[in-house]
Amino acid sequence: DAKTTQPNSMESNEEEPVHLPCNHSTISGTDYIHWYRQLPSQGPEYVIHGLTSNVNNRMASLAIAEDRKSSTLILHRATLRDAAVYYCILQPSSNTGKLIFGQGTTLQVKP
Amino acid sequence: NAGVMQNPRHLVRRRGQEARLRCSPMKGHSHVYWYRQLPEEGLKFMVYLQKENIIDESGMPKERFSAEFPKEGPSILRIQQVVRGDSAAYFCASSPRGAREKLFFGSGTQLSVL
Repeated sequence: DAKTTQPNSMESNEEEPVHLPCNHSTISGTDYIHWYRQLPSQGPEYVIHGLTSNVNNRMASLAIAEDRKSSTLILHRATLRDAAVYYCILQPSSNTGKLIFGQGTTLQVKP
Repeated sequence: NAGVMQNPRHLVRRRGQEARLRCSPMKGHSHVYWYRQLPEEGLKFMVYLQKENIIDESGMPKERFSAEFPKEGPSILRIQQVVRGDSAAYFCASSPRGAREKLFFGSGTQLSVL
């Protein structure tokens, strides 16, 4: 299974943008890049996903490197409610639902 | 549209007892996934079920654990003869058409084994 590498923790100030990096140098050509986040005492929540092109939705943006070996989740204006563990996950092309969660990045947002 | 519902939210069992965890997927979703999160660890995939079928159980422990998703009713994760090492948060997720879709997770069941 392809592996992802994320920083253990990051800090941000409220109302400022946050860039959460993820390295996935062993990604295969058909792996999708998914991001989920988990708030304390809750289940993971889908944030965004993409294959090759950059993606935007109401929660965040996903910037994918041209060689697909890394990606960045962008929160445009962090709020206190964005404090969570953010997981970068590679979803294989096979249809198994087997998401491989790493340790993720714990994001702290300071008021 | 209610989200993925899991119950109970907290479950306490003594060693050797059985634990039954329930998961009702979102309306219209026929694919269910179970994950386990041990203390201070990341989530680990356990099993993927579609109505009445187990699609992938590669993450299930070989003994004492079973899962089903009957034609009618919720999905059940069953743990027989629980041990302290089974203490964890168990999360269920669902999707409408299959694993390539985004998954919707429930709030989990926290199992504590005394």
